[in-house]
Amino acid sequence: EAGVVQSPRYKIIEKKQPVAFWCNPISGHNTLYWYRQNLGQGPELLIRYENEEAVDDSQLPKDRFSAERLKGVDSTLKIQPAELGDSAVYLCASRTGTSQETQYFGPGTRLLVL
Amino acid sequence: GENVEQHPSTLSVQEGDSAVIKCTYSDSASNYFPWYKQELGKGPQLIIDIRSNVGEKKDQRIAVTLNKTAKHFSLHITETQPEDSAVYFCAASGSNFGNEKLTFGTGTRLTIIP
Repeated sequence: EAGVVQSPRYKIIEKKQPVAFWCNPISGHNTLYWYRQNLGQGPELLIRYENEEAVDDSQLPKDRFSAERLKGVDSTLKIQPAELGDSAVYLCASRTGTSQETQYFGPGTRLLVL
Repeated sequence: GENVEQHPSTLSVQEGDSAVIKCTYSDSASNYFPWYKQELGKGPQLIIDIRSNVGEKKDQRIAVTLNKTAKHFSLHITETQPEDSAVYFCAASGSNFGNEKLTFGTGTRLTIIP
């Protein structure tokens, strides 16, 4: 079974530029999460989707961050414009949503804003 | 909200010895506690989890204990091997199914000395 797929794996941009990250969850997983992991810290939730509905986006900085999961499968997280403090690893995770299984994480996208 | 503290931040043990990582949580409503292992350049991988109706759980060389009264839980790794070297994160959630927000600790960098 394929795991959570994320792309790109690395991204370097200049501040004020836009950037987008893509995630394809494990097949059949209805719940999808985006986390941000700063250097030396644990992941922090940005947004959670149940199918195509964002059910928890309280931690998403909505002035510059946006996310979508139009068909309830893959998802895109966007930052526009990026700031220096956005440098981090952006992790996507998924779970089935119907059992006691926990969240399965992708490899992450490492973003560096210069 | 939930706050999870994790100690120590770094831990070095001789190969074959045991390693113990401890976490405390603040929200008495939390009832699901997973542990993740993160290797360099990879996303967190679940290694074991425990729910609040259980005091201890073991899987080969890995065990987790939970003290709900004291609000703390611990990861025990016995007979450590070089491949156990990684960063370990504890987390807490308000749901038995992990679909609520996971709050992570700050991580423990475990180094196994050959």
